[in-house]
Amino acid sequence: AQKITQTQPGMFVQEKEAVTLDCTYDTSDPSYGLFWYKQPSSGEMIFLIYQGSYDQQNATEGRYSLNFQKARKSANLVISASQLGDSAMYFCAMSTGKLIFGQGTTLQVKP
Amino acid sequence: EAGVAQSPRYKIIEKRQSVAFWCNPISGHATLYWYQQILGQGPKLLIQFQNNGVVDDSQLPKDRFSAERLKGVDSTLKIQPAKLEDSAVYLCASSLDQGLVVGEQFFGPGTRLTVL
Repeated sequence: AQKITQTQPGMFVQEKEAVTLDCTYDTSDPSYGLFWYKQPSSGEMIFLIYQGSYDQQNATEGRYSLNFQKARKSANLVISASQLGDSAMYFCAMSTGKLIFGQGTTLQVKP
Repeated sequence: EAGVAQSPRYKIIEKRQSVAFWCNPISGHATLYWYQQILGQGPKLLIQFQNNGVVDDSQLPKDRFSAERLKGVDSTLKIQPAKLEDSAVYLCASSLDQGLVVGEQFFGPGTRLTVL
């Protein structure tokens, strides 16, 4: 069965510091994609970063990077130099044909 | 490029009433998705269309929910009759391809439904 697990309901980080949001997944399909989305309080889902299961390099998009450890089935999101505007809910998702989301992690950036 | 449009943004109804949500995907996007997001949870896929055909509706409660995508563009999601547990945000998303391994889904702002 396909499953995505985010074990951190809430996280705090000081402004300008880095933070890691955890995500583990389970699938028997060798071909899959991993996504991170940001959902501010306004409700829209904003795509942040994507990692394919066959990608050798970890994905990076500006201040976002995905720490992909295939053997451990983990796909942690690293946000560098946190900003106040990063405060939001973050969802990890996996696609093997349809997108399955984790429960989310609420990140609060403190000034 | 215009994003995914949804209306209404908010809706309050009483249980046993009916309600409909509308979605206009990004122009040219063949695949359209409806998700239900209950407060404090991640979105759950209700139905996926490829053009105007249904690809996956395995998690759609078909006794009360229905959806259609006319001419492969706009889509409507209906609930009839609504139950208290249907209170949620209903998100529409679209993508260029079938959203398999690659393929970013673009989400609309959502419709927040409250059932009293």
